[in-house]
Amino acid sequence: ETGVTQSPTHLIKTRGQQVTLRCSSQSGHNTVSWYQQALGQGPQFIFQYYREEENGRGNFPPRFSGLQFPNYSSELNVNALELDDSALYLCASRSGLQPDTQYFGPGTRLTVL
Amino acid sequence: RKEVEQDPGPFNVPEGATVAFNCTYSNSASQSFFWYRQDCRKEPKLLMSVYSSGNEDGRFTAQLNRASQYISLLIRDSKLSDSATYLCVVNLLSGSARQLTFGSGTQLTVLP
Repeated sequence: ETGVTQSPTHLIKTRGQQVTLRCSSQSGHNTVSWYQQALGQGPQFIFQYYREEENGRGNFPPRFSGLQFPNYSSELNVNALELDDSALYLCASRSGLQPDTQYFGPGTRLTVL
Repeated sequence: RKEVEQDPGPFNVPEGATVAFNCTYSNSASQSFFWYRQDCRKEPKLLMSVYSSGNEDGRFTAQLNRASQYISLLIRDSKLSDSATYLCVVNLLSGSARQLTFGSGTQLTVLP
């Protein structure tokens, strides 16, 4: 296993609600990225955090926000949930020593009704 | 146009067959290249990096053509356990962020 954990594994919400997803990075990894994977698609980059600062963002609206903590764990927050937000949310961590190698967690499957 | 394009398949091949996947990418500033494997309802896992000189890992051979912005993966002597979705991935440095851009994946089923 990669050592990256995510919680919860599954979640059901209704439209308009807010959700927080959590990720614990592999030990020693100071960079975490979040991806959204809709059914039948490849993962899409949401944003990246390095040393508690967002330092890269994909084409996602501001209602997708995040945090990274001093221990490098991370949260993804999504406000005003929409039906199209139903997806597998993946976090990936990496270290500065191996910047090209990202290790993915098992993901959180979010269903918005 | 998608940044990374793959044939979605599905590819259904018998055990022992050789199968090839192709991928093109649009951003010439892409810096590094990978094939990931994703099993049903699981996270993507790195299969191999891809280099211009070509690289081989057992039954798997990957090739990169930067001039054509084309990436390939060849699987020889297919096994049942190779059944999965294969994702072509490019790594783009955007500001200070390394952003993985994934294709939609090619589904492979190896049949007994």
